[in-house]
Amino acid sequence: SQTIHQWPATLVQPVGSPLSLECTVEGTSNPNLYWYRQAAGRGLQLLFYSVGIGQISSEVPQNLSASRPQDRQFILSSKKLLLSDSGFYLCATYLGSSYNEQFFGPGTRLTVL
Amino acid sequence: AQSVTQPDIHITVSEGASLELRCNYSYGATPYLFWYVQSPGQGLQLLLKYFSGDTLVQGIKGFEAEFKRSQSSFNLRKPSVHWSDAAEYFCAVGVAGGTSYGKLTFGQGTILTVHP
Repeated sequence: SQTIHQWPATLVQPVGSPLSLECTVEGTSNPNLYWYRQAAGRGLQLLFYSVGIGQISSEVPQNLSASRPQDRQFILSSKKLLLSDSGFYLCATYLGSSYNEQFFGPGTRLTVL
Repeated sequence: AQSVTQPDIHITVSEGASLELRCNYSYGATPYLFWYVQSPGQGLQLLLKYFSGDTLVQGIKGFEAEFKRSQSSFNLRKPSVHWSDAAEYFCAVGVAGGTSYGKLTFGQGTILTVHP
């Protein structure tokens, strides 16, 4: 079975500071990986997805970037955080044989002050 | 492009009462449909899913959902709610095809409050 680790669990950062959130997956190989942001009252917004090492697709223009340096590692970054970057960030993986069913990690709560 | 609407932002029910959470989708063909639940500060857990076949699907924790093509709906139901069901519920739709890359489109979520 799959396991998703997200680090850190919570983070408080000042405006203008850099960001790096990490997602690592166990129990699968060559997974599709996704970053979502959940802002209060706004549901889940897909930010990035990756179908392989070094392959990143952005869904919405924003202050964030993503990278996939290893098969089971997905990183979300920013050079300068904005207040609007606050939210709950979820990493997910696609269970390839299950019709788009996704499995989610525990999330990272980011507060930008 | 597909879309999902959850008309109810917040629902309050009494423990033991029945529950129905609404979900409407927009997509030209038969979609893959999901309900996820999220407890505060946690990730999302899959409750149930529909791909094809029997339009009434059973999930975990006593939940069920019915796919109605004519109404483009996939409502979630539970006959008797427990206090532990208090959480936020998300409906999601996925589409077939290689270019979908397994992506899901989520509704805005419905927050369920359960009164004792």
